[in-house]
Amino acid sequence: SQTIHQWPATLVQPVGSPLSLECTVEGTSNPNLYWYRQAAGRGLQLLFYSVGIGQISSEVPQNLSASRPQDRQFILSSKKLLLSDSGFYLCAWREDGYTFGSGTRLTVV
Amino acid sequence: GEDVEQSLFLSVREGDSSVINCTYTDSSSTYLYWYKQEPGAGLQLLTYIFSNMDMKQDQRLTVLLNKKDKHLSLRIADTQTGDSAIYFCAKARGSYIPTFGRGTSLIVHP
Repeated sequence: SQTIHQWPATLVQPVGSPLSLECTVEGTSNPNLYWYRQAAGRGLQLLFYSVGIGQISSEVPQNLSASRPQDRQFILSSKKLLLSDSGFYLCAWREDGYTFGSGTRLTVV
Repeated sequence: GEDVEQSLFLSVREGDSSVINCTYTDSSSTYLYWYKQEPGAGLQLLTYIFSNMDMKQDQRLTVLLNKKDKHLSLRIADTQTGDSAIYFCAKARGSYIPTFGRGTSLIVHP
């Protein structure tokens, strides 16, 4: 069966520190993978998507970057976090509909 | 305005039916989704409907689509406290990335 893992579940980081959120999927190959951010009271904002290894498309210019070093691994990073980067980050992959990870709640202090 | 609009809150009594509404602007959407997000968790796909359908029923869930008015609704029969969550409407055209609404917080009280 297909599963998606995302960690950590919660993270508190100081302003200016780096970030690395990881997402892995199991039970599928060459999935389309996505990073979304959900800010309080707002819908889901698509940050990045990837259709294959090394292929990253950015939807919103920002302080974040993404990488896909392996077929089933998708990483969201930042070199220096801003307060505005706080939010709930969701990894997703697409088959019938979209399957989402359990999310990472990031608080930048 | 937003591509997908939903009211932010809905409060219902346990046992009543809940109806969560969604309107969208893009008439070329072919897939319309409903997701549920419980506190601190990821999104769970509840159901989806193709744009050539008017209705889809799955146990306590009924999805109605009015293409003319670009209106989608999710009806939850016999709402329970465990149904309390945020419900997201989303639309997509074919395999394109979906656009999500802001979510409707459903509060179920005894």
